[in-house]
Amino acid sequence: DQQVKQNSPSLSVQEGRISILNCDYTNSMFDYFLWYKKYPAEGPTFLISISSIKDKNEDGRFTVFLNKSAKHLSLHIVPSQPGDSAVYFCAASATQKLVFGQGTRLTINP
Amino acid sequence: GAGVSQTPSNKVTEKGKYVELRCDPISGHTALYWYRQSLGQGPEFLIYFQGTGAADDSGLPNDRFFAVRPEGSVSTLKIQRTERGDSAVYLCASSLSGGSSYNEQFFGPGTRLTVL
Repeated sequence: DQQVKQNSPSLSVQEGRISILNCDYTNSMFDYFLWYKKYPAEGPTFLISISSIKDKNEDGRFTVFLNKSAKHLSLHIVPSQPGDSAVYFCAASATQKLVFGQGTRLTINP
Repeated sequence: GAGVSQTPSNKVTEKGKYVELRCDPISGHTALYWYRQSLGQGPEFLIYFQGTGAADDSGLPNDRFFAVRPEGSVSTLKIQRTERGDSAVYLCASSLSGGSSYNEQFFGPGTRLTVL
């Protein structure tokens, strides 16, 4: 069973607008959530994280929101830039191992 | 400083052969992880080392897969009697320590394994 789901395989956003990537999870034991960004032929790169005791974490253009009651998290990127085009994975953790979603391919159009 | 490195970057083998994939973690990182990413999927956990010992190998799919980390640094993932379904990108990650879920994992570029 897929414990972490990203239901949108792809998303296209115009440069300068907001990108919103969504992620749902089923395991209530997860206590830490992360977003990774991946370019082709490279490993995932850590972007931003949030602990389950918080509902928002912000880092520059990136903000992650966590809704524990809905078991939902989202990543907001504003303003979106062409260099943001990549595959984004959300991941969750209850122990040391990360459980990843399937990824969302974000394309920023000029 | 140097990140996580993995060799080879690409490996093509024939069904039934044995392969070894190598991971060099970031210096000083005591925790090391192996993940496997199949086409169109996110990475899936295989095994986690804390120092030299495998602390969690619950993700290894079967007994054809084995991993070692004899000196607590470099790790080797070994796959016996490879099958076409083993074709995937094998990712290695390391973190400063593995004591909780809050330690950021740094990933290598992966080894793309193709089993013909």
